Amino acid sequence: DAKTTQPTSMDCAEGRAANLPCNHSTISGNEYVYWYRQIHSQGPQYIIHGLKNNETNEMASLIITEDRKSSTLILPHATLRDTAVYYCIVNPRGKLIFGQGTTLQVKP
Amino acid sequence: EAGVAQSPRYKIIEKRQSVAFWCNPISGHATLYWYQQILGQGPKLLIQFQNNGVVDDSQLPKDRFSAERLKGVDSTLKIQPAKLEDSAVYLCASSFLGRRENIQYFGAGTRLSVL
Repeated sequence: DAKTTQPTSMDCAEGRAANLPCNHSTISGNEYVYWYRQIHSQGPQYIIHGLKNNETNEMASLIITEDRKSSTLILPHATLRDTAVYYCIVNPRGKLIFGQGTTLQVKP
Repeated sequence: EAGVAQSPRYKIIEKRQSVAFWCNPISGHATLYWYQQILGQGPKLLIQFQNNGVVDDSQLPKDRFSAERLKGVDSTLKIQPAKLEDSAVYLCASSFLGRRENIQYFGAGTRLSVL
């Protein structure tokens, strides 16, 4: 199963873009990259997913490198409510295997 | 669209007691999951149902944990007897069957404290 590597923690100033990196060098050709986040005392929340192309939705943008070995989640204008643990997951056979994630702290 | 509903939100029991958690998935979602999240860790899958059948229960401690989804809709997870190490948040998630991008939607979870 493909494994992901994320920084343990990051800070971001409110109103600025938050760029969260993820390495997944062993990803297979048909595996999607998923991003979820978990705000304190809540269940994980789906953010975005992608296969090869960059993706954008109302919450975030996902940039996947051409070789698919890494990706970046971009929150364009971070707010205090975006403070959470962000999980990058490569989804083998429909399962979500959560690592430690990146704790993003948005500061005023 | 209503989300995944779980109850209770909190439960405190003593070790060796039994406890049950309930989950109602999003309407139309055939696949249901139970996860255990220990403080400071990511969620870990315990069991996956597809309709009322078990797809994967390889991580479920079957000597004390059981789960059922009798009518293919809501589900119950039970622990009997509970141990101190079962203190965790129990999360339920559901997803739509048949889509390659298996997006899972989570409930708020039940926080269990075993004393």
